[in-house]
Amino acid sequence: AIQLTQSPPSLSASVRDSVTITCRASHGINSALAWYQQKPGESPRLLIFDASTLEGGVPSRFSGSGSGTHFTLTISSLQPEDFATYYCQQFSVSPLTFGGGTKVEI
Amino acid sequence: EVQLLESGGGLVQPGGSLRLSCAVSGLRLGHSAMCWVRQAPGKGLEWISGISTTGATTQYADSVKGRFSISRDNSQNTLYLQMHSLRVEDTAVYYCARSRLITTAIRGWGHGTRVTVSS
Repeated sequence: AIQLTQSPPSLSASVRDSVTITCRASHGINSALAWYQQKPGESPRLLIFDASTLEGGVPSRFSGSGSGTHFTLTISSLQPEDFATYYCQQFSVSPLTFGGGTKVEI
Repeated sequence: EVQLLESGGGLVQPGGSLRLSCAVSGLRLGHSAMCWVRQAPGKGLEWISGISTTGATTQYADSVKGRFSISRDNSQNTLYLQMHSLRVEDTAVYYCARSRLITTAIRGWGHGTRVTVSS
């Protein structure tokens, strides 16, 4: 199975900061990567698919980039509602796999 | 509005069985691939099984292969997960989720049903 390694596992930031989360795949997955946001007690929410395409309704301060084995999620100008855990997921090859998550804290 | 509503979770002893259901409303189930994703307490997300729109193709994570079985009834707009030989490490919230194909991003999630495996 393809392994996804997210870094950092957690980070502290302030409102209006810009943060970047990295996801590295153990094998090349082209652009078959998605990013999800999960808040405590809630289901995950799709933010970005195909590495860089913003899902409808997601604020433009979220952006994704990368291909192959190295991907990033950037949140520019953090808002209070962005404090959550973020997961990357590859859907290139079954079994689909998730990264370990990055918790963004105040 | 598309809604996914899981049911069937609960407390079961190690070695036991349980069947989860996911009732889908707001879209025709036959238009979506479906999957189950679980989350152990305080842990990350784990994709465990997916099924194609017609049910002809099913896929499983190694952690559940041979013990769990995914199926669907498009006429009833319902997805199922039959779980056998349950282990303590299967304790988790189980989410039902939909995507265009098995190997595409997950676009919609249920609220989850909790499964606890304990003696």
